[in-house]
Formats: sequence, C-alpha cells, structure tokens
Amino acid sequence: EAGVVQSPRYKIIEKKQPVAFWCNPISGHNTLYWYRQNLGQGPELLIRYENEEAVDDSQLPKDRFSAERLKGVDSTLKIQPAELGDSAVYLCASSGVTDTQYFGPGTRLTVL
Amino acid sequence: AQSVTQPDIHITVSEGASLELRCNYSYGATPYLFWYVQSPGQGLQLLLKYFSGDTLVQGIKGFEAEFKRSQSSFNLRKPSVHWSDAAEYFCAVSPGGYNKLIFGAGTRLAVHP
Repeated sequence: EAGVVQSPRYKIIEKKQPVAFWCNPISGHNTLYWYRQNLGQGPELLIRYENEEAVDDSQLPKDRFSAERLKGVDSTLKIQPAELGDSAVYLCASSGVTDTQYFGPGTRLTVL
Repeated sequence: AQSVTQPDIHITVSEGASLELRCNYSYGATPYLFWYVQSPGQGLQLLLKYFSGDTLVQGIKGFEAEFKRSQSSFNLRKPSVHWSDAAEYFCAVSPGGYNKLIFGAGTRLAVHP
C-alpha cells in the first residue's frame, strides 16, 4: 500500500512569506498528525486530527500556524508569516486501527 | 512531565560489531515504548514497540529492545551491525496510549567498514 505522501519535499522562502505543506495519509487512516523536527532534535507534535476534528492542537503556535483537514483525508499545514525560527522539517504521520504511527518523508523548510 | 533521554548523540561502530543504543524515559506508569529509525531524507520507520508482556521485543531488520522497569530504560540492540544500519535512531514514549509520541533527541549511528 502507498505510504504517507507529503509535498513539497523542500521549500525555501523569505521571512514574512506564507508557506503551506500538504499531506495525504495512508488510505483508511482516520488519525493524522503534524510534527515539527528541528535540527538535531526529535519530532514534536503540533496537531492531531481524528477525522476532521483537531483533537490536540495544544502545541500549535496559533498566531501564525493553521491547519485543516476538511474531508477527513488530506491535510494542509500553513504558516503565515514565516519566521527564521520556523526552519525545520515538517512531518506528517497517520494511524489506523492499530494506532501505530506511519510517517511521511517530511518537508524541509528553510526560511531566509 | 513525560520525557525521553537518549544519552548518546553519536555512536560509531565497525561493521559486524554489536550495537546497543540507550533510552531512558520519565513517566509515572508504564508507557508504550517505541524505536524509530530515520535515514537521510526519509521519514521515520518503526523498528519495534512495547506495550506489555514479554520485556524483550523483537523488531524488523534484526533489532531487539529490552524494557527494564527498574531502570526506566528501553535499550535497542543488534548483534551484528550492517553498513546500511547507519542512520538516526529515535526512542519515543506514548503515555497511556499511541496518540501522542514524545521523542528523544536521537542517536546518530555511523558504521565503519
């Protein structure tokens, strides 16, 4: 089966610009996660969706970050405006009935 | 608060040598425990997981891990390392279930021929 798909794989933007990341989870997986991985660190959860509902967004910086999963499948994570400190790898993961999380390859964001 | 510590930032081993990567966690009860591997430019791949029962867990690619409650540890082992094992390894804990993973900072493994 196809894994978690993310695009783009790489993105370079100037600070104060907006940016969006897209994730397509594994088919049938109701739970979707966005993580941020800073250089030299492990991933940190930003937001978790159960179908369309964001059930844990406590770590999402809501002043500039937003996310949506309108039909309970694909999801988009947006940053507006981006800051230098947002440079990181943004990982999407999904899980199904077994709750094991499967990760996509990530989007590497560089903010100049 | 729950936390995961991986004491070794970098480890270098020779191909064919044995490997042990250390992981300690902080949590009041027995959490669910995971090891993931991340190769350059790749996402995280699950190696193995522990929920309950037998404290020695077998995973993919010849890896195993042992849960030691008394030491709050979940160390990853492999008897003979291959060059393709060079990657970054992350230990993670899920307090009370799967839905939130808390990761350690990772251990980068280099393998010498």
